[in-house]
Amino acid sequence: AQSVTQLGSHVSVSEGALVLLRCNYSSSVPPYLFWYVQYPNQGLQLLLKYTSAATLVKGINGFEAEFKKSETSFHLTKPSAHMSDAAEYFCAVTQNYGGSQGNLIFGKGTKLSVKP
Amino acid sequence: ETGVTQSPTHLIKTRGQQVTLRCSSQSGHNTVSWYQQALGQGPQFIFQYYREEENGRGNFPPRFSGLQFPNYSSELNVNALELDDSALYLCASSLDRASDTQYFGPGTRLTVL
Repeated sequence: AQSVTQLGSHVSVSEGALVLLRCNYSSSVPPYLFWYVQYPNQGLQLLLKYTSAATLVKGINGFEAEFKKSETSFHLTKPSAHMSDAAEYFCAVTQNYGGSQGNLIFGKGTKLSVKP
Repeated sequence: ETGVTQSPTHLIKTRGQQVTLRCSSQSGHNTVSWYQQALGQGPQFIFQYYREEENGRGNFPPRFSGLQFPNYSSELNVNALELDDSALYLCASSLDRASDTQYFGPGTRLTVL
């Protein structure tokens, strides 16, 4: 069975500092991995995705993530935090079942706070 | 291009009642998935519909049921509401069932008293 673990339910950084949100996955087959962001009282917005192409994936708003199979990790980073990055971030995993994409399995989320 | 829309935005019901939530998929998308997000948790998969047929179901009881219409919009019905059903219900659409990307709507906040 697939699963996702997000280390740290809350992360606080200063504006301009590095953002690092951790995600580890468990999957017996090559996974598809995603990061979504959720602003208060809103739905989920896709930040970036890994689908077995390049291991370093660039997304929107300056975020990127690196797929590391040996570490079963897909950590999300941004070199310089902005106040507008304050939100909740979800890592998710799925896989392709012979032409049909499986449902997303989400981690519990990491709430990012950005201090001025 | 219109994104995924959901209605209503908020809903308050009492225990034992029934509720219907609605979702309009993004233009050109034939697959809709529903997720339940309890407070402080990540979303959990309820079920998926592809071309009006159920195409996968999560660990939810039968009182959670769904429907997809010929225009690919969808409904989520919950019977015999329980307090634990209070959550944000998210609808996501994808181009088809093989597509790797799901696009989420803003959600419906259901409160059960």
